[in-house]
Amino acid sequence: DTGVSQDPRHKITKRGQNVTFRCDPISEHNRLYWYRQTLGQGPEFLTYFQNEAQLEKSRLLSDRFSAERPKGSFSTLEIQRTEQGDSAMYLCASSLEVGGPSGGYTFGSGTRLTVV
Amino acid sequence: AQTVTQSQPEMSVQEAETVTLSCTYDTSESDYYLFWYKQPPSRQMILVIRQEAYKQQNATENRFSVNFQKAAKSFSLKISDSQLGDAAMYFCAYYSGTSYGKLTFGQGTILTVHP
Repeated sequence: DTGVSQDPRHKITKRGQNVTFRCDPISEHNRLYWYRQTLGQGPEFLTYFQNEAQLEKSRLLSDRFSAERPKGSFSTLEIQRTEQGDSAMYLCASSLEVGGPSGGYTFGSGTRLTVV
Repeated sequence: AQTVTQSQPEMSVQEAETVTLSCTYDTSESDYYLFWYKQPPSRQMILVIRQEAYKQQNATENRFSVNFQKAAKSFSLKISDSQLGDAAMYFCAYYSGTSYGKLTFGQGTILTVHP
């Protein structure tokens, strides 16, 4: 297992188009998190899953955003009708349920989205 | 709501010298954890050091140590014997047992190391 993988690394899209990102967590991690990081800022929490259940969503996650984690393995984050304000780095992280970040929280390298 | 504040947007240090990055936080929780993460340019975020709030002893990891002042809600990171590879964005982050693993990050401090 090589850690948390995110695909694609970079995505350039035209305003109004839909985009989908994928995250493959560490296989034994049952918690998966999505964060958004704008340039020069710290990551902001978007949503998290425990196994296949989406247990919390931030108010930052507008109706245009949807996330899934079928079968509790990989996760996808879709943004519909992209806007220029959606341009950011989208980070995925995974952890074990027990201990959470204190027990080990692994980040992926992120997907950088540019909306033109 | 919990907040984390890093008041130093940028810091610089000479190689082999010591630098301290500041972080303050606000919470009403009693059980929580604090972290420093390092994010090199175009690379993934990695954990530098963590501190459990119930522990009075300050955490240390090799050249990295923290000064945890619980009453003042302050959590600074000291990097000793700075190396060129320490150059990165550093984030202070907070997590509580009631937040289901959700991290709250500060704005970050860009650290430059001069040879």
